[in-house]
Amino acid sequence: AQSVTQLDSQVPVFEEAPVELRCNYSSSVSVYLFWYVQYPNQGLQLLLKYLSGSTLVESINGFEAEFNKSQTSFHLRKPSVHISDTAEYFCAVSEPGTYKYIFGTGTRLKVLA
Amino acid sequence: DAGVIQSPRHEVTEMGQEVTLRCKPISGHNSLFWYRQTMMRGLELLIYFNNNVPIDDSGMPEDRFSAKMPNASFSTLKIQPSEPRDSAVYFCASSVGLAVYEQYFGPGTRLTVT
Repeated sequence: AQSVTQLDSQVPVFEEAPVELRCNYSSSVSVYLFWYVQYPNQGLQLLLKYLSGSTLVESINGFEAEFNKSQTSFHLRKPSVHISDTAEYFCAVSEPGTYKYIFGTGTRLKVLA
Repeated sequence: DAGVIQSPRHEVTEMGQEVTLRCKPISGHNSLFWYRQTMMRGLELLIYFNNNVPIDDSGMPEDRFSAKMPNASFSTLKIQPSEPRDSAVYFCASSVGLAVYEQYFGPGTRLTVT
């Protein structure tokens, strides 16, 4: 069975500082990996995804994540955060060819002025 | 383009009442998902439809929950009778096809059962 672990439930960080949100997964098969963002009182929005190819994937708003197969990780990073990045971030895994996501418990990023 | 539409956005009801949540998926999407989000259990998949047919309802908590998709543009999730432990945010999501490349989520319905 697949599982996703987000060890940090909350991450406070000052504006313009770098941030890393950690995600580890377990699976006996190859997987697709996703990061979703949920702004207050909104639904989840896809931030970035890894399906195959380059292990470093980027979003349009400056986030990036790197797939590390040996460490079974897919950590999310941003070199300089903004107040507007305050949100909850969910890591998810799915098995290729299936319809199910397994979501992590989420990490609440709070950017401080 | 309109995204996934859910109604109502907020619902407050008393224990024992029937609750119906509604979802309109993105036009052209043929897969629809209902999720429940709580602090204790995070995001849980309740049921999944493909081409209006329920494929997997193993996540539906009990018989009080039922879901229908009478056509490609409408789905309902019904709870009857509702209980306080059903209080949660319920999300609907849609996608193209069976394979999970990207699911598009609606804004959610926040249900409070008193």
